[in-house]
Amino acid sequence: DTEVTQTPKHLVMGMTNKKSLKCEQHMGHRAMYWYKQKAKKPPELMFVYSYEKLSINESVPSRFSPECPNSSLLNLHLHALQPEDSALYLCASSKRLAGEGNNEQFFGPGTRLTVL
Amino acid sequence: AQSVSQHNHHVILSEAASLELGCNYSYGGTVNLFWYVQYPGQHLQLLLKYFSGDPLVKGIKGFEAEFIKSKFSFNLRKPSVQWSDTAEYFCAVNSGYSTLTFGKGTMLLVSP
Repeated sequence: DTEVTQTPKHLVMGMTNKKSLKCEQHMGHRAMYWYKQKAKKPPELMFVYSYEKLSINESVPSRFSPECPNSSLLNLHLHALQPEDSALYLCASSKRLAGEGNNEQFFGPGTRLTVL
Repeated sequence: AQSVSQHNHHVILSEAASLELGCNYSYGGTVNLFWYVQYPGQHLQLLLKYFSGDPLVKGIKGFEAEFIKSKFSFNLRKPSVQWSDTAEYFCAVNSGYSTLTFGKGTMLLVSP
């Protein structure tokens, strides 16, 4: 299995809702990542997990809360989002840790989030 | 800190024309280089990557890229583009000390 899967594919939520995005990989990768991508822009790194521990938080607002329940799963909990948070949220994983050489990240298809 | 610069934000070509998209990076140490493609409404796909060895790298769909260390460049090329190559192309770099950094992207439009 060489895939990173993400659910749901699309999500529409109100500003008072609480929702979660899910990401899964079964490649035995040691690092997992959340990115945010706005239309016609490159992906922006949000969080990095290494060995299930949060290793990088790129100053992301607390209304985004990541969680890594085990080595194969990564969640992103959403609460009190703003319309400007609407974007494509990408998950990725890599065999090597962030900051190690020869590090290829495998990306999932993303969740397209719309905040009303 | 490393950075990536893609020279062209938009490129318009006719089918069968040759393509070269520029990418320069700033980090002076050992780097890994990538080109990703994102077709309209779809997710990121890896076109090709360079870790070490032969600086001319061949990827999927007839794309290739050349790593020129002295110029800090990793330009993407394709001899003859097709309408189906219309997409956003991102150059990206990571090093032994930093996570993946993307360029701003180049939107390629191929007219039939």
